[in-house]
Amino acid sequence: GNSVTQMEGPVTLSEEAFLTINCTYTATGYPSLFWYVQYPGEGLQLLLKATKADDKGSNKGFEATYRKETTSFHLEKGSVQVSDSAVYFCALSDPVTGGFKTIFGAGTRLFVKA
Amino acid sequence: EAGVAQSPRYKIIEKRQSVAFWCNPISGHATLYWYQQILGQGPKLLIQFQNNGVVDDSQLPKDRFSAERLKGVDSTLKIQPAKLEDSAVYLCASSSNQGGRDSNYGYTFGSGTRLTVV
Repeated sequence: GNSVTQMEGPVTLSEEAFLTINCTYTATGYPSLFWYVQYPGEGLQLLLKATKADDKGSNKGFEATYRKETTSFHLEKGSVQVSDSAVYFCALSDPVTGGFKTIFGAGTRLFVKA
Repeated sequence: EAGVAQSPRYKIIEKRQSVAFWCNPISGHATLYWYQQILGQGPKLLIQFQNNGVVDDSQLPKDRFSAERLKGVDSTLKIQPAKLEDSAVYLCASSSNQGGRDSNYGYTFGSGTRLTVV
């Protein structure tokens, strides 16, 4: 079945450091890939998405590229801020084999220190 | 546009009691989802509605959980009786239907209801 694996946290960085959160997936079809962010006390928000191989999703300085050859969708940001502290979830949706539902990874908590 | 509304925000009940959660999706969104998020884990789908019909409830513990979306708009999720392991955040999400490929566009989530069963 379809699944998502992301790196365990927490990840602790200093402000302006470079961020990478790894995500790999297993899917039998051609899924769409997403990153969601959950700030403390809030629901999940869609951060970015990519719907086909080699697509790059980007938003708020975050980027992720859909790599079919390595089945990966790693999240990157060149310079993190304290306000980026949150939990980040990698997710996939495969309309063909997954029945339109989205499957989430376990989440990676990011702490950014001033 | 208004977001996905959920209530209550918090609920504490004793085991074996009943509880209900309410969700009002974004206007015009045909698809509604209930997810369970246990602390430290990613959200897990409980049930998916398309208008007022159930599309997927394969992971819903039907002996104690039930959900309905009678008029294709608001939805209610009920637990009866609750167990300690039901302590979690219950998230409602909605998406528009783009010819059946709405999952490509991502969901809008509500803030969730945090349930504590003691």
